[in-house]
Amino acid sequence: SAVISQKPSRDICQRGTSLTIQCQVDSQVTMMFWYRQQPGQSLTLIATANQGSEATYESGFVIDKFPISRPNLTFSTLTVSNMSPEDSSIYLCSAQGGSTDTQYFGPGTRLTVL
Amino acid sequence: AQTVTQSQPEMSVQEAETVTLSCTYDTSESDYYLFWYKQPPSRQMILVIRQEAYKQQNATENRFSVNFQKAAKSFSLKISDSQLGDAAMYFCAYRSPPSQGAQKLVFGQGTRLTINP
Repeated sequence: SAVISQKPSRDICQRGTSLTIQCQVDSQVTMMFWYRQQPGQSLTLIATANQGSEATYESGFVIDKFPISRPNLTFSTLTVSNMSPEDSSIYLCSAQGGSTDTQYFGPGTRLTVL
Repeated sequence: AQTVTQSQPEMSVQEAETVTLSCTYDTSESDYYLFWYKQPPSRQMILVIRQEAYKQQNATENRFSVNFQKAAKSFSLKISDSQLGDAAMYFCAYRSPPSQGAQKLVFGQGTRLTINP
Protein backbone atom coordinates (compact mmCIF):
# COMPACT_ATOMS: atom_id res chain seq x y z
CA SER A 1 0.00 0.00 0.00
CA ALA A 2 1.06 3.59 -0.61
CA VAL A 3 2.32 5.67 2.30
CA ILE A 4 0.97 9.20 2.18
CA SER A 5 2.07 12.19 4.22
CA GLN A 6 0.42 15.57 4.57
CA LYS A 7 1.72 18.90 5.79
CA PRO A 8 0.70 20.67 7.94
CA SER A 9 -1.12 18.24 10.22
CA ARG A 10 -3.14 21.09 11.68
CA ASP A 11 -3.35 24.85 11.50
CA ILE A 12 -5.33 27.74 12.90
CA CYS A 13 -5.84 30.57 10.44
CA GLN A 14 -7.47 33.98 10.30
CA ARG A 15 -10.39 34.60 7.99
CA GLY A 16 -9.47 36.07 4.64
CA THR A 17 -6.11 34.30 4.48
CA SER A 18 -5.07 31.24 2.44
CA LEU A 19 -3.47 27.95 3.40
CA THR A 20 -1.68 25.47 1.16
CA ILE A 21 -1.72 21.80 2.14
CA GLN A 22 0.89 19.44 0.74
CA CYS A 23 0.44 15.76 -0.01
CA GLN A 24 3.38 13.45 -0.72
CA VAL A 25 3.13 9.80 -1.78
CA ASP A 26 6.04 7.39 -1.39
CA SER A 27 5.51 5.90 -4.87
CA GLN A 28 4.17 6.98 -8.23
CA VAL A 29 0.40 6.81 -8.37
CA THR A 30 -2.11 7.20 -11.15
CA MET A 31 -4.71 9.24 -9.34
CA MET A 32 -4.75 11.64 -6.40
CA PHE A 33 -7.79 13.11 -4.74
CA TRP A 34 -8.69 15.77 -2.19
CA TYR A 35 -11.58 15.27 0.23
CA ARG A 36 -13.16 17.50 2.85
CA GLN A 37 -14.62 16.24 6.10
CA GLN A 38 -16.64 18.84 7.94
CA PRO A 39 -17.05 18.45 11.71
CA GLY A 40 -19.06 15.33 12.54
CA GLN A 41 -19.67 14.59 8.86
CA SER A 42 -18.62 12.11 6.23
CA LEU A 43 -16.06 12.71 3.49
CA THR A 44 -16.91 14.68 0.37
CA LEU A 45 -14.70 14.79 -2.70
CA ILE A 46 -13.42 18.25 -3.60
CA ALA A 47 -11.52 17.36 -6.75
CA THR A 48 -9.39 14.87 -8.60
CA ALA A 49 -5.83 16.12 -9.03
CA ASN A 50 -4.67 15.39 -12.57
CA GLN A 51 -0.97 15.23 -13.34
CA GLY A 52 -0.02 17.82 -15.91
CA SER A 53 -3.49 19.27 -16.36
CA GLU A 54 -6.19 21.12 -14.47
CA ALA A 55 -7.94 19.39 -11.61
CA THR A 56 -11.47 18.05 -12.05
CA TYR A 57 -13.79 19.65 -9.50
CA GLU A 58 -16.97 18.23 -8.03
CA SER A 59 -20.20 20.15 -7.99
CA GLY A 60 -20.08 22.90 -5.39
CA PHE A 61 -16.31 23.32 -5.46
CA VAL A 62 -14.52 25.83 -7.68
CA ILE A 63 -10.93 26.39 -8.71
CA ASP A 64 -10.78 29.95 -7.40
CA LYS A 65 -11.58 28.75 -3.89
CA PHE A 66 -9.63 25.46 -3.96
CA PRO A 67 -6.77 25.69 -6.46
CA ILE A 68 -4.94 22.38 -6.83
CA SER A 69 -1.58 21.55 -8.30
CA ARG A 70 -0.08 18.20 -9.24
CA PRO A 71 3.34 18.73 -10.78
CA ASN A 72 4.33 15.04 -10.79
CA LEU A 73 3.07 11.52 -9.97
CA THR A 74 3.92 11.67 -6.26
CA PHE A 75 2.96 15.18 -5.10
CA SER A 76 -0.06 17.47 -4.95
CA THR A 77 -1.13 20.62 -3.16
CA LEU A 78 -4.52 22.00 -2.21
CA THR A 79 -4.94 25.68 -1.36
CA VAL A 80 -7.91 26.89 0.63
CA SER A 81 -8.30 30.52 -0.42
CA ASN A 82 -9.90 33.51 1.27
CA MET A 83 -10.88 31.37 4.21
CA SER A 84 -13.98 31.76 6.34
CA PRO A 85 -15.02 29.87 9.50
CA GLU A 86 -17.14 27.59 7.29
CA ASP A 87 -13.90 26.21 5.83
CA SER A 88 -12.98 24.70 9.19
CA SER A 89 -12.70 21.01 8.35
CA ILE A 90 -10.34 18.11 7.98
CA TYR A 91 -8.81 17.97 4.52
CA LEU A 92 -7.63 14.57 3.35
CA CYS A 93 -5.50 13.57 0.43
CA SER A 94 -5.82 10.12 -1.11
CA ALA A 95 -3.97 8.22 -3.79
CA GLN A 96 -4.82 5.32 -6.03
CA GLY A 97 -2.75 3.28 -8.41
CA GLY A 98 -0.15 0.58 -8.70
CA SER A 99 -1.05 -3.08 -8.36
CA THR A 100 -4.37 -2.44 -6.62
CA ASP A 101 -7.25 -0.09 -7.31
CA THR A 102 -7.59 0.82 -3.67
CA GLN A 103 -7.47 4.42 -2.45
CA TYR A 104 -5.20 5.05 0.49
CA PHE A 105 -5.43 8.16 2.60
CA GLY A 106 -3.06 10.59 4.19
CA PRO A 107 -3.39 11.47 7.87
CA GLY A 108 -5.42 14.60 7.14
CA THR A 109 -4.99 18.29 7.90
CA ARG A 110 -7.21 19.78 10.58
CA LEU A 111 -7.97 23.40 9.67
CA THR A 112 -9.58 25.86 12.04
CA VAL A 113 -10.52 29.29 10.73
CA LEU A 114 -11.18 32.04 13.26
CA ALA B 1 -25.75 9.20 -9.06
CA GLN B 2 -24.68 6.57 -6.60
CA THR B 3 -25.65 6.87 -2.96
CA VAL B 4 -24.51 5.00 0.13
CA THR B 5 -26.59 4.74 3.29
CA GLN B 6 -25.50 3.65 6.75
CA SER B 7 -28.60 3.52 8.91
CA GLN B 8 -26.83 3.01 12.25
CA PRO B 9 -25.23 6.26 13.50
CA GLU B 10 -23.88 4.46 16.57
CA MET B 11 -23.28 0.89 17.64
CA SER B 12 -21.73 -0.64 20.72
CA VAL B 13 -20.50 -4.14 21.51
CA GLN B 14 -18.85 -5.95 24.36
CA GLU B 15 -15.22 -6.80 23.97
CA ALA B 16 -14.73 -10.25 22.37
CA GLU B 17 -18.27 -10.25 20.98
CA THR B 18 -19.37 -9.98 17.35
CA VAL B 19 -20.97 -6.92 15.77
CA THR B 20 -22.41 -6.25 12.32
CA LEU B 21 -22.50 -2.81 10.70
CA SER B 22 -25.03 -2.23 7.94
CA CYS B 23 -24.61 -0.50 4.58
CA THR B 24 -26.88 -0.21 1.58
CA TYR B 25 -26.19 1.51 -1.70
CA ASP B 26 -27.97 2.55 -4.83
CA THR B 27 -26.50 2.19 -8.30
CA SER B 28 -27.46 1.28 -11.84
CA GLU B 29 -23.99 -0.07 -12.58
CA SER B 30 -23.33 -3.80 -12.66
CA ASP B 31 -19.64 -3.64 -11.90
CA TYR B 32 -18.22 -1.62 -9.02
CA TYR B 33 -16.16 -1.78 -5.85
CA LEU B 34 -17.24 -1.53 -2.24
CA PHE B 35 -15.06 -0.67 0.73
CA TRP B 36 -15.14 -0.36 4.47
CA TYR B 37 -12.80 2.20 6.02
CA LYS B 38 -12.28 2.92 9.71
CA GLN B 39 -11.38 6.31 11.14
CA PRO B 40 -10.10 6.26 14.72
CA PRO B 41 -9.77 9.48 16.74
CA SER B 42 -6.40 10.05 15.07
CA ARG B 43 -8.58 10.78 11.95
CA GLN B 44 -6.43 8.54 9.72
CA MET B 45 -8.65 6.71 7.22
CA ILE B 46 -7.66 3.05 7.26
CA LEU B 47 -8.85 0.48 4.75
CA VAL B 48 -10.55 -2.44 6.45
CA ILE B 49 -11.79 -4.53 3.55
CA ARG B 50 -12.76 -4.30 -0.12
CA GLN B 51 -15.16 -6.24 -2.32
CA GLU B 52 -15.39 -6.40 -6.10
CA ALA B 53 -19.00 -6.67 -7.26
CA TYR B 54 -18.22 -9.36 -9.84
CA LYS B 55 -16.96 -11.69 -7.11
CA GLN B 56 -19.64 -13.80 -5.49
CA GLN B 57 -17.40 -14.82 -2.62
CA ASN B 58 -17.54 -12.55 0.38
CA ALA B 59 -14.25 -10.87 1.28
CA THR B 60 -12.57 -11.64 4.59
CA GLU B 61 -9.60 -10.09 6.37
CA ASN B 62 -8.76 -11.82 9.63
CA ARG B 63 -11.55 -10.85 12.08
CA PHE B 64 -13.35 -8.74 9.49
CA SER B 65 -15.74 -10.16 6.92
CA VAL B 66 -18.51 -8.84 4.72
CA ASN B 67 -21.92 -10.07 3.70
CA PHE B 68 -22.31 -8.83 0.13
CA GLN B 69 -25.83 -9.19 -1.26
CA LYS B 70 -25.69 -7.74 -4.78
CA ALA B 71 -29.36 -8.09 -5.61
CA ALA B 72 -30.35 -6.39 -2.37
CA LYS B 73 -27.55 -3.81 -2.75
CA SER B 74 -26.39 -4.55 0.75
CA PHE B 75 -22.83 -4.67 2.08
CA SER B 76 -22.56 -5.31 5.81
CA LEU B 77 -19.37 -5.61 7.84
CA LYS B 78 -18.99 -8.23 10.55
CA ILE B 79 -16.33 -7.80 13.20
CA SER B 80 -15.63 -10.94 15.21
CA ASP B 81 -13.89 -11.08 18.59
CA SER B 82 -14.14 -7.30 18.95
CA GLN B 83 -11.12 -5.59 20.45
CA LEU B 84 -10.73 -2.21 22.12
CA GLY B 85 -8.65 -1.07 19.16
CA ASP B 86 -11.64 -1.57 16.87
CA ALA B 87 -13.34 1.49 18.37
CA ALA B 88 -13.65 4.01 15.54
CA MET B 89 -15.93 5.58 12.99
CA TYR B 90 -16.63 3.12 10.19
CA PHE B 91 -17.44 4.33 6.69
CA CYS B 92 -18.88 2.30 3.86
CA ALA B 93 -17.83 3.52 0.40
CA TYR B 94 -18.71 2.85 -3.24
CA ARG B 95 -16.56 3.31 -6.30
CA SER B 96 -17.37 2.95 -9.98
CA PRO B 97 -15.17 0.73 -12.18
CA PRO B 98 -12.30 2.31 -14.15
CA SER B 99 -14.28 1.96 -17.38
CA GLN B 100 -16.75 4.52 -16.06
CA GLY B 101 -14.10 7.20 -15.68
CA ALA B 102 -14.75 8.85 -12.33
CA GLN B 103 -12.91 7.00 -9.60
CA LYS B 104 -14.13 8.96 -6.65
CA LEU B 105 -15.30 7.27 -3.49
CA VAL B 106 -18.88 7.92 -2.40
CA PHE B 107 -19.12 7.56 1.35
CA GLY B 108 -21.96 6.73 3.70
CA GLN B 109 -22.63 8.83 6.76
CA GLY B 110 -20.60 6.60 9.04
CA THR B 111 -21.27 4.41 12.09
CA ARG B 112 -19.52 5.15 15.36
CA LEU B 113 -18.52 1.86 17.00
CA THR B 114 -17.85 1.71 20.73
CA ILE B 115 -16.24 -1.30 22.36
CA ASN B 116 -17.20 -1.91 25.98
CA PRO B 117 -14.55 -3.64 28.11
